[in-house]
Amino acid sequence: QKEVEQNSGPLSVPEGAIASLNCTYSDRVSQSFFWYRQYSGKSPELIMSIYSNGDKEDGRFTAQLNKASQYVSLLIRDSQPSDSATYLCAVNQGGSEKLVFGKGTKLTVNP
Amino acid sequence: GAVVSQHPSWVICKSGTSVKIECRSLDFQATTMFWYRQFPKQSLMLMATSNEGSKATYEQGVEKDKFLINHASLTLSTLTVTSAHPEDSSFYICSARGILSPLHFGNGTRLTVT
Repeated sequence: QKEVEQNSGPLSVPEGAIASLNCTYSDRVSQSFFWYRQYSGKSPELIMSIYSNGDKEDGRFTAQLNKASQYVSLLIRDSQPSDSATYLCAVNQGGSEKLVFGKGTKLTVNP
Repeated sequence: GAVVSQHPSWVICKSGTSVKIECRSLDFQATTMFWYRQFPKQSLMLMATSNEGSKATYEQGVEKDKFLINHASLTLSTLTVTSAHPEDSSFYICSARGILSPLHFGNGTRLTVT
């Protein structure tokens, strides 16, 4: 079973700070990486996708991918209380459309 | 953007009965849809891959005769939980993707079996 590992948290940061979320994966042939945000009782919502090494920025969010280290991260700048949620890292199972999810990191942004 | 609609959003049923959950892609055609299950404080676990016009592919440990999947058109997949038991109570989420687009999720169905 291919695995995706995340620190379950909870991670607490003050409003306006940078929140850093990390994820490692075991399947070396994975090519697609995603970060989803899930509010309690709700379905996951796509935040970022990244496919190549390096950084990808979208507004306050930056995804970072290092395939050699099998590591993907998400940075949230200027964190807001509304960012408080569980963030799920998802990685495609090599050669297929299936996504394997981590258990998620719960983020709390304190006003 | 792509939208995936799931219905119902919640359902309560008695043990032994069957429940059908619908998943629709509203503005794109999805040849493949995925069904996930999420228990409290757990991650999403893939149950099966639904392929339009063919049999679904089930993940290891998922009973195909209990969780019936039908993908009759390019925009609709259904999951039927047959002879439901309290241990089937969970959050069921479908997802779909169009060509060259990431996976999008439906709003999920909270199933409670009493």
